[in-house]
Amino acid sequence: RKEVEQDPGPFNVPEGATVAFNCTYSNSASQSFFWYRQDCRKEPKLLMSVYSSGNEDGRFTAQLNRASQYISLLIRDSKLSDSATYLCVVNPTQGGKLIFGQGTELSVKP
Amino acid sequence: DTAVSQTPKYLVTQMGNDKSIKCEQNLGHDTMYWYKQDSKKFLKIMFSYNNKELIINETVPNRFSPKSPDKAHLNLHINSLELGDSAVYFCASSQDGRNNYGYTFGSGTRLTVV
Repeated sequence: RKEVEQDPGPFNVPEGATVAFNCTYSNSASQSFFWYRQDCRKEPKLLMSVYSSGNEDGRFTAQLNRASQYISLLIRDSKLSDSATYLCVVNPTQGGKLIFGQGTELSVKP
Repeated sequence: DTAVSQTPKYLVTQMGNDKSIKCEQNLGHDTMYWYKQDSKKFLKIMFSYNNKELIINETVPNRFSPKSPDKAHLNLHINSLELGDSAVYFCASSQDGRNNYGYTFGSGTRLTVV
């Protein structure tokens, strides 16, 4: 089983749609969680951290379910500029390395 | 003012050559990393240094040798390049080794071995 698994997509959605990405992780002792965004031929950039209580940043909502070892990202009112690959990232231990999922590709169409 | 800068951005070289990639961060972070992103887009860690000390060395051929002259710099030297080394190499830094705040990445070095 991969340490971090995501549906690779691609997800093709119209502008204004709501889209949800899911991610599962294998290490139940994982400490911290993130969503990164990677545009084509660019570096990954931190989109948001994911907290146990869930957190929201504008149109983006991240949720964590530790019991099910599951992380989600919800994007409301999709914009063309949201087109990118979204990477689920897990920190399995303090002092270790971040583990990246393979990413979910999103394409928002007019 | 670039936070994590890598050079060169593109590198095309022949098999068997030796090449180096340089990375510098001006964030005052303690920990720096090299990640490799292959054609399937997986990001895999190669090395990590904390304050000039090697703390992570994944299963990487010993043709790859990192060097950290100080905590703001992390370089990667690759000997005897092979076709399979073609990938994008990202440098990253984190505030501390606990990774509670994620990483900041450099813009990547796209290495093509021909």
